[in-house]
Amino acid sequence: GAGVSQSPSNKVTEKGKDVELRCDPISGHTALYWYRQRLGQGLEFLIYFQGNSAPDKSGLPSDRFSAERTGESVSTLTIQRTQQEDSAVYLCASSKEAASGGNYNEQFFGPGTRLTVL
Amino acid sequence: AQKVTQAQTEISVVEKEDVTLDCVYETRDTTYYLFWYKQPPSGELVFLIRRNSFDEQNEISGRYSWNFQKSTSSFNFTITASQVVDSAVYFCAFIFSSNTGKLIFGQGTTLQVKP
Repeated sequence: GAGVSQSPSNKVTEKGKDVELRCDPISGHTALYWYRQRLGQGLEFLIYFQGNSAPDKSGLPSDRFSAERTGESVSTLTIQRTQQEDSAVYLCASSKEAASGGNYNEQFFGPGTRLTVL
Repeated sequence: AQKVTQAQTEISVVEKEDVTLDCVYETRDTTYYLFWYKQPPSGELVFLIRRNSFDEQNEISGRYSWNFQKSTSSFNFTITASQVVDSAVYFCAFIFSSNTGKLIFGQGTTLQVKP
């Protein structure tokens, strides 16, 4: 596709349930990122995949959060035992590669998944 | 500590006015990358510009211009002759060399352009 796609666009769940969010990056982009945006706030980094390197998980807020990526394609972000504070928009971004020629490439964002935990 | 601050939470202007969005940062890194993104009401972030810390040459693109000053740790963004379609949340963001790959975002400035 032309851009980063995410599904579902909206997810309402009950506290304690697990949810899975999906991201399809732009074809050919080797770097993939997940961010979280709470209402009225900036974006917080969650996790970053670059090719076959070990992912940078330093932004994951707790062990209830995990993410996987198969090769250079789809990624899923899983939140186990959801809590109300997990309610946010989860944004995925991709870039050609994190850095080339000494420059970090711009990241292109998907439309996000709005997660509401009741 | 690495920090990005957008002190202006909300700005409201009347169409055709010029408006400057402020962004200041803190870092001890000598190499870093600076970005501005726009988030219209639809919610999707739109990339506007990328600079690196070695290039302080300011840039103009149509009605947009950016002023990067290392001496004041600022990377401000100006819209000339604002239009209603410019209404959005604007984020400045950085990648610091010691924090490879991750964008560190400011809190965003909500710009409302009234007709």
